[in-house]
Amino acid sequence: SQQGEEDPQALSIQEGENATMNCSYKTSINNLQWYRQNSGRGLVHLILIRSNEREKHSGRLRVTLDTSKKSSSLLITASRAADTASYFCATRDDKIIFGKGTRLHILP
Amino acid sequence: GAVVSQHPSWVICKSGTSVKIECRSLDFQATTMFWYRQFPKQSLMLMATSNEGSKATYEQGVEKDKFLINHASLTLSTLTVTSAHPEDSSFYICSAAGQGAVRTTEAFFGQGTRLTVV
Repeated sequence: SQQGEEDPQALSIQEGENATMNCSYKTSINNLQWYRQNSGRGLVHLILIRSNEREKHSGRLRVTLDTSKKSSSLLITASRAADTASYFCATRDDKIIFGKGTRLHILP
Repeated sequence: GAVVSQHPSWVICKSGTSVKIECRSLDFQATTMFWYRQFPKQSLMLMATSNEGSKATYEQGVEKDKFLINHASLTLSTLTVTSAHPEDSSFYICSAAGQGAVRTTEAFFGQGTRLTVV
């Protein structure tokens, strides 16, 4: 089963621009996490935001959480070629359920 | 963060054979482990949740007799794909959580296993 949708499903931007990805979910959560996955590889944990938090920063990453709308966003500022990857949100309660993901491509 | 080791990282097997994938928590006791499958360009789909010492809970549509999960110790869970067929070819990845940490903390993932059935 999957929790919800990420949008966009694919995103191509120029290097240096900001990338915003959104995630919606269906059930109540304890926390929400964002992961990055390079092609064919394992997951890299990016950031965790708890259900009682509204915004969190980590380096060039900014995550917001709106529990009333059951949505979250991930902003990557000043994108780099190395940011090219798939990004997934995952909600956490008894299970860890992933969204469908956004494939981000940074153009040189 | 905690380390979860998954082995093997890739495996090729013949159709009809069985393959075992191991997931180990190296520096903490994993009371709960999750197994996922990922097809190319798709997301991770939860297959089952296993708690140490008890039977795994499978998600709807996942054949428990085909995907055998064992979680006999607090540091090891195994997924056995029985009588593998080409359509079982996929990327399998595990996640481990410690006691009391299932709901509240970062999940720790193995590196994944790419299974190719020929």
